[in-house]
Amino acid sequence: DAKTTQPPSMDCAEGRAANLPCNHSTISGNEYVYWYRQIHSQGPQYIIHGLKNNETNEMASLIITEDRKSSTLILPHATLRDTAVYYCIADPAGGTSYGKLTFGQGTILTVHP
Amino acid sequence: DSGVTQTPKHLITATGQRVTLRCSPRSGDLSVYWYQQSLDQGLQFLIQYYNGEERAKGNILERFSAQQFPDLHSELNLSSLELGDSALYFCASSVGASAYEQYFGPGTRLTVT
Repeated sequence: DAKTTQPPSMDCAEGRAANLPCNHSTISGNEYVYWYRQIHSQGPQYIIHGLKNNETNEMASLIITEDRKSSTLILPHATLRDTAVYYCIADPAGGTSYGKLTFGQGTILTVHP
Repeated sequence: DSGVTQTPKHLITATGQRVTLRCSPRSGDLSVYWYQQSLDQGLQFLIQYYNGEERAKGNILERFSAQQFPDLHSELNLSSLELGDSALYFCASSVGASAYEQYFGPGTRLTVT
């Protein structure tokens, strides 16, 4: 599994876009980038994943650089309810890792009024 | 609401005791995963079952065991409990055996005194 590096904390004003970076410089060709978030002691919540193309869903957008060594999760209009720990995970889909998610320390995103 | 249920929500017990945590996956999901979240270790994968069979194992202690029943619910058994076992225990489920899009339950908070 590729190691990921995220800033420990970030702030964002309510209504503005929150851009959360993740570095995964050792990512291999079959490893996807997954994002989860955990709102204060609740169960982690899946947000989005991608391999090399940018992805968008109802929650967020995921921008992956062309060399795949880093990515950015974008919450387009952050709300107070988006305050959470955001985890970036790089793992191969399938193979011997199966569905084992390896969580790092994540980024604590605080959205301010 | 992820559709994954866990019982009990809270559990307080003494050292040396044995407890059982229960998880019901989302309807249609065949995989169940167990994770432990403690203050010093973060979120750690324990074990995965797929359609009744053990599929992947993490750093699960020998005092801990799990199983998945024919109706696909799962139980995590923790025995000879120690103070350090105090943690949040999350169950997650997914459709396939190698799914990184997992749906987490609300967790069971275990306190060992």
